[in-house]
Amino acid sequence: EVQLVESGGDLIQPGGSLRLSCAASGFTISSNYMSWVRQTPGKGLEWVSIIYSDGSTYYADSVKGRFTISRDNSKNTLYLQMNSLRAEDTAIYYCARAKSGYSYVFDYWGQGTPVTVSS
Amino acid sequence: DIVMTQSPLSLPVTPGEPASISCRSSQSLVYTHGNSYLDWYLQKPGQSPQLLIYLGSYRASGVPDRFSGRGSGTDFTLKISRVEAEDVGVYYCMQALQTPVTFGQGTRLEIK
Repeated sequence: EVQLVESGGDLIQPGGSLRLSCAASGFTISSNYMSWVRQTPGKGLEWVSIIYSDGSTYYADSVKGRFTISRDNSKNTLYLQMNSLRAEDTAIYYCARAKSGYSYVFDYWGQGTPVTVSS
Repeated sequence: DIVMTQSPLSLPVTPGEPASISCRSSQSLVYTHGNSYLDWYLQKPGQSPQLLIYLGSYRASGVPDRFSGRGSGTDFTLKISRVEAEDVGVYYCMQALQTPVTFGQGTRLEIK
């Protein structure tokens, strides 16, 4: 059974850093494209970043240069390193798996981890 | 970025009745072989989004056949033939043609 379990969300001050984790089971994360998607009451669902099977990565303009997506194949875990955090980064962060053969058809989602950026 | 616009934003429905949600994109989502890169997701209360429809009209695994997606180009529709109580939640369309992928603002379906 495919499962995605996020962790690492916290209350953090503006300018701080946080690393989110997404532990996967039931499949190998290096075989599928993996994304981070965040959700806020005000802006709804917003795609954040993707890592392809070959390791290439892409980011939303709103996080480019501040966030880094990566994976540890030995731990079958996806990460999102978030630096220079801003109030507008406050959201629930989901990791999502893309259906095999597709970049952005998200067939499995984690339960989400909340990030609050506030002083 | 491609802008996705859904309507209505709120949809009260009587159980057993049909429901329809519209999604419009700011540019055509047609790509190869006539496929449209448009997906539909449902977020039930307290849960993560779940995939319902991909490539405009393909039902995801385990999705009941009362859900159907249609449309092409810039205009798409999600139809529920007979609404059940378990269908409540927020429905989102998402364009997957261009990075960054973008979502509609969501349509909240509630039972009358």
